[in-house]
Amino acid sequence: SYELTQPPSVSVSPGQTARITCSGDALPKQYAYWYQQKPGQAPVLVIYKDSERPSGIPERFSGSSSGTTVTLTISGVQAEDEADYYCQSADSSGTYEVFGGGTKLTVL
Amino acid sequence: QVQLQESGPGLVKPSETLSLTCTVSGGSISSYYWSWIRQPPGKGLEWIGYIYYSGSTNYNPSLKSRVTISVDTSKNQFSLKLSSVTAADTAVYYCARFAGAAVAGQYNWFDPWGQGTLVTVSS
Repeated sequence: SYELTQPPSVSVSPGQTARITCSGDALPKQYAYWYQQKPGQAPVLVIYKDSERPSGIPERFSGSSSGTTVTLTISGVQAEDEADYYCQSADSSGTYEVFGGGTKLTVL
Repeated sequence: QVQLQESGPGLVKPSETLSLTCTVSGGSISSYYWSWIRQPPGKGLEWIGYIYYSGSTNYNPSLKSRVTISVDTSKNQFSLKLSSVTAADTAVYYCARFAGAAVAGQYNWFDPWGQGTLVTVSS
């Protein structure tokens, strides 16, 4: 079965840049999406189609893609950005949806 | 704006069928795909499946033999049934709109999400 691989954790100090990666063999063919989930809350979409930002999401959130890896970048990290982040994409045929295992972002 | 709300029993006995309903408000269920996603306590997200308002479905292969998703356009609701549940099915269950391309499989994402409902499988 298809898998997306994320690092379990990333730590940064306030004001620094956080980069969270997501790797998968089908990512050159399929878009990736990113979600932020804070404790006790439902996930919220922060990036769609690799690099598009939904309305209401701060400009410090950006996404990029290179080969089999997509990256969520949070510039000028704030304490409120501390959360779990999940990538999502489809298998190469676009039939099934998959989530990465999630990355816990800690703001030191 | 579209809002989703899950409802159903919070406790299900092993071997029985889990049944949940998602009510869509602030917009029509028509012309979109709708999905169920779950998250075991302390773990990551797992896609369960989606349904088009016309009734066509697609399920996660790992759950396909036990899952049924249906839609009731007259009530602006869609539902999940998961049969033969075990403790491993204990999770927060979310419903979400599967937004994006008009045809699923091109480019689709989950937005918005319901608040989620915890279902515990225990005798």
